[in-house]
Amino acid sequence: DQQVKQNSPSLSVQEGRISILNCDYTNSMFDYFLWYKKYPAEGPTFLISISSIKDKNEDGRFTVFLNKSAKHLSLHIVPSQPGDSAVYFCAASARTQGGSEKLVFGKGTKLTVNP
Amino acid sequence: AAGVIQSPRHLIKEKRETATLKCYPIPRHDTVYWYQQGPGQDPQFLISFYEKMQSDKGSIPDRFSAQQFSDYHSELNMSSLELGDSALYFCASSSSGSHNEQFFGPGTRLTVL
Repeated sequence: DQQVKQNSPSLSVQEGRISILNCDYTNSMFDYFLWYKKYPAEGPTFLISISSIKDKNEDGRFTVFLNKSAKHLSLHIVPSQPGDSAVYFCAASARTQGGSEKLVFGKGTKLTVNP
Repeated sequence: AAGVIQSPRHLIKEKRETATLKCYPIPRHDTVYWYQQGPGQDPQFLISFYEKMQSDKGSIPDRFSAQQFSDYHSELNMSSLELGDSALYFCASSSSGSHNEQFFGPGTRLTVL
């Protein structure tokens, strides 16, 4: 079963407008959430993260919101730029006994920003 | 800034052959993670190492093994390759302690014919 869900496989927005990418999770043990951006033939690039003790984290054009009660997080990109076009993965982690923080990924949302 | 290095970038093997993938983490990162991403899929966690010891294991087949060496680089060994092993294999590294972001390498694309 998919513990991290990105229900929109694709999203298309106009340059300058806001992009909102959504992510839901089912495992209440997750305590850290991350967004990665991925271009074809490259590894995922870390964008922004948020701890479960916060509800918002902002870094330049990128803001992540966390609604713990709804088990939902979202990534806002404003203003959107054509260079933001990529696949965006939501990921979650929970510290295990061994100290590992393996990431559980959603299936990704392909964002296209049109000039 | 130095990033995670993976080699080779591309690998083509026949069924039942073996393959070795290498990962060199970011300097001073002590934790390495391996992920497998099939076509159109999300990355799936395989295995991780902290300070040269296995720290967690995911959906890694018994035909695969991995280790982390004294210089913190890691190798993923894959034997009796099957067609379904064709995928992108990513290595990520992080530093231990409180939650830290994992930084990914460019991946190794393995094709099994």
